[in-house]
Amino acid sequence: DAMVIQNPRYQVTQFGKPVTLSCSQTLNHNVMYWYQQKSSQAPKLLFHYYDKDFNNEADTPDNFQSRRPNTSFCFLDIRSPGLGDAAMYLCATSTGIGADTQYFGPGTRLTVL
Amino acid sequence: AQSVTQLDSQVPVFEEAPVELRCNYSSSVSVYLFWYVQYPNQGLQLLLKYLSGSTLVKGINGFEAEFNKSQTSFHLRKPSVHISDTAEYFCAVSSKAAGNKLTFGGGTRVLVKP
Repeated sequence: DAMVIQNPRYQVTQFGKPVTLSCSQTLNHNVMYWYQQKSSQAPKLLFHYYDKDFNNEADTPDNFQSRRPNTSFCFLDIRSPGLGDAAMYLCATSTGIGADTQYFGPGTRLTVL
Repeated sequence: AQSVTQLDSQVPVFEEAPVELRCNYSSSVSVYLFWYVQYPNQGLQLLLKYLSGSTLVKGINGFEAEFNKSQTSFHLRKPSVHISDTAEYFCAVSSKAAGNKLTFGGGTRVLVKP
């Protein structure tokens, strides 16, 4: 089945230690998104790629970076995680933007010690 | 700017009873509206969406929603819920004016009781 895969499902890191979260898709979608979802809150868009074009949200901290080496893969890098970065990180994909359905992966739950 | 308000943070409901989840949006332009469901420790899954045309939209798992432009609402309904419908439900809006980004409401947690 075509799908969005996130690895790992659970990630524990130490305060200030860089961490990378991975997302891959078999849907061949043009757009890939990263959302941050804190407990009992709505997902918050961090950034998205439309093909190779990177679109950063204005309020996304500089601590968060992303890479998309090819259509299938997208990475979220957190350079110096703080306790406030503990959250579920969701990757999503879509064919286009606006009316197109976003397909979400299962998420990576990040714990910062 | 666009925004979404989900009026109920939690909705307890008995199995086989009907449920309605309320969603109001604010936007001065044409919008696309979505309902997503999130089961525990999982990503979001699309239930249904409204793009244009008929204001009554039918989705998966027996859910439906009605777009009401004059009341800027997009309420979600199911006539008879199952235990398996226990989940968090998110209403979301997208518009060209807001850069085609998806803005989510705060979510409604549905707890189906036997």
